[in-house]
Amino acid sequence: EAGVAQSPRYKIIEKRQSVAFWCNPISGHATLYWYQQILGQGPKLLIQFQNNGVVDDSQLPKDRFSAERLKGVDSTLKIQPAKLEDSAVYLCASSRMGVNTEAFFGQGTRLTVV
Amino acid sequence: AQSVTQPDIHITVSEGASLELRCNYSYGATPYLFWYVQSPGQGLQLLLKYFSGDTLVQGIKGFEAEFKRSQSSFNLRKPSVHWSDAAEYFCAVGAPKSQETSYDKVIFGPGTSLSVIP
Repeated sequence: EAGVAQSPRYKIIEKRQSVAFWCNPISGHATLYWYQQILGQGPKLLIQFQNNGVVDDSQLPKDRFSAERLKGVDSTLKIQPAKLEDSAVYLCASSRMGVNTEAFFGQGTRLTVV
Repeated sequence: AQSVTQPDIHITVSEGASLELRCNYSYGATPYLFWYVQSPGQGLQLLLKYFSGDTLVQGIKGFEAEFKRSQSSFNLRKPSVHWSDAAEYFCAVGAPKSQETSYDKVIFGPGTSLSVIP
């Protein structure tokens, strides 16, 4: 089966600009996650969708970050305006329903804010 | 709330030597436990997982992990390390939905970076 697709792979923007990331999960996976991974740290969950509904966005900086999952399939994560501290790798993952199933990760988008 | 600690930030081993990466978790019930590996520039790949049953689980690439409830640990081991094992390793805890949360939740540890000396 095809894996989780993310684009772009790399993005460099200036602070205060906006940026958007796209994720296409594995077909049939109900749960979709966006993680932020700052260099030298573990992935931090930003938002978790179950089908097209948000089940956890407690660590999403909602003043600047937004995410949506259209029709329970693809998802976009947006940052507006970006700050220097947003420089990180943004990982998208998907899984079937239930925590006892494997989460499959995309290769991530490396964002550099200058 | 559940949490994961990986006490070793960085470990260096010689090729052919044995390896043990430590993972400790905090969770009220028996959690689901995972080990993922991340090679440079890549996403995370699942090495192995524990849900129930035999506390010693086998994974891919010759890795194994042992769940010890009394120590709240899930340490990853490999008897003989290869140079290609150099990567970042993440332990993760999964908690099924409960009275506190209406959804399943997975928390990652901070990771252990493994270097292998040829």
